[in-house]
Amino acid sequence: QKEVEQDPGPLSVPEGAIVSLNCTYSNSAFQYFMWYRQYSRKGPELLMYTYSSGNKEDGRFTAQVDKSSKYISLFIRDSQPSDSATYLCAMSASDSGTYKYIFGTGTRLKVLA
Amino acid sequence: GAVVSQHPSWVICKSGTSVKIECRSLDFQATTMFWYRQFPKQSLMLMATSNEGSKATYEQGVEKDKFLINHASLTLSTLTVTSAHPEDSSFYICSARDRVAGGQFFGPGTRLTVL
Repeated sequence: QKEVEQDPGPLSVPEGAIVSLNCTYSNSAFQYFMWYRQYSRKGPELLMYTYSSGNKEDGRFTAQVDKSSKYISLFIRDSQPSDSATYLCAMSASDSGTYKYIFGTGTRLKVLA
Repeated sequence: GAVVSQHPSWVICKSGTSVKIECRSLDFQATTMFWYRQFPKQSLMLMATSNEGSKATYEQGVEKDKFLINHASLTLSTLTVTSAHPEDSSFYICSARDRVAGGQFFGPGTRLTVL
């Protein structure tokens, strides 16, 4: 079993839809949870950074962490064609020193105009 | 803030030559930087963790003599692909950890093609 599981997609939605992207994990030591967006042939861009459980909102993006279920989500409201990209979840037990982020495989999202 | 640059953005070289890729954190200090490799439509594969002023830690299966990493300052790490071969052709991405604010920020990547 992988430490972090993420559905690779592709996920196709119409413009304006609410998108839900998810990851599950097995390591209960994870405390930091991140979502990255990666466009083709570009480096990943940090979208959301959360610590422990709860929700965090930034514009059209909402990140949720449920540590009891070992489940994290990213919601995108009013999705736009420009949101079409691969979304990677990442998590770590610590965000200092040499602790590595463990990445999901990424979900490819296509928002259709 | 939190900008990471990479240079060059793409490089084409002949088999047997060495290629150096630079990774810089432009507006923050990064005690730790990471080097990844990514094949088309695949996820990131961590190659090594680079610490300022000390030797890099390589992931299992990554040849340290092939992929030389130097983290000479709090804002610069370099990856040198020595004696490159066509199978080394890939997208190489670095990331830097902001030691004050937290978070890990990625560079734009370097596309290496070895002929």
